[in-house]
Amino acid sequence: ETGVTQSPTHLIKTRGQQVTLRCSSQSGHNTVSWYQQALGQGPQFIFQYYREEENGRGNFPPRFSGLQFPNYSSELNVNALELDDSALYLCASSPQGNTEAFFGQGTRLTVV
Amino acid sequence: GEDVEQSLFLSVREGDSSVINCTYTDSSSTYLYWYKQEPGAGLQLLTYIFSNMDMKQDQRLTVLLNKKDKHLSLRIADTQTGDSAIYFCAERGNTPLVFGKGTRLSVIA
Repeated sequence: ETGVTQSPTHLIKTRGQQVTLRCSSQSGHNTVSWYQQALGQGPQFIFQYYREEENGRGNFPPRFSGLQFPNYSSELNVNALELDDSALYLCASSPQGNTEAFFGQGTRLTVV
Repeated sequence: GEDVEQSLFLSVREGDSSVINCTYTDSSSTYLYWYKQEPGAGLQLLTYIFSNMDMKQDQRLTVLLNKKDKHLSLRIADTQTGDSAIYFCAERGNTPLVFGKGTRLSVIA
């Protein structure tokens, strides 16, 4: 049990729709990162938030956006969903210094 | 760009040792990690090693790092059926974690 919780656990959306995924970070952790894990692949870095500011982004288009709130929880928003967005979305929280990243159980998104 | 490579499958008998290997390309990697993922679950941090170390032991787990060859390995002693999972190697350099595709470990009773 990492103390990182994500909601919802599963979600089915239609192509073209928008989706918001949520993450509560572990107590005391001020850095949140989001990863996309396609079936049979390793997680791919989407972006990272530190103290409510985005401070790193992977190779994902602008329709992937995020927020971090004052309590360090976070949202991942994806607009104009495509079939290839179907994946497990993982949130990780890290303490100051960022040495260890603790993952939530993920949100399984299916786009039909 | 940064890249992490792992073999895809490993099968061992219960009670034997398992060795999972990983190579990476980023010479600026500061930390290297091993995560475990069970079916339908998120990633569990098993252990990590700082890049100026060459070995770390934690109970049944031993991590070896050859920085010159950019090679990382995870040895699991006395492998149990509960160790069956996918194991991911990851490195952290200038960006947050870069993962390999994972090694599926199957433990035969």
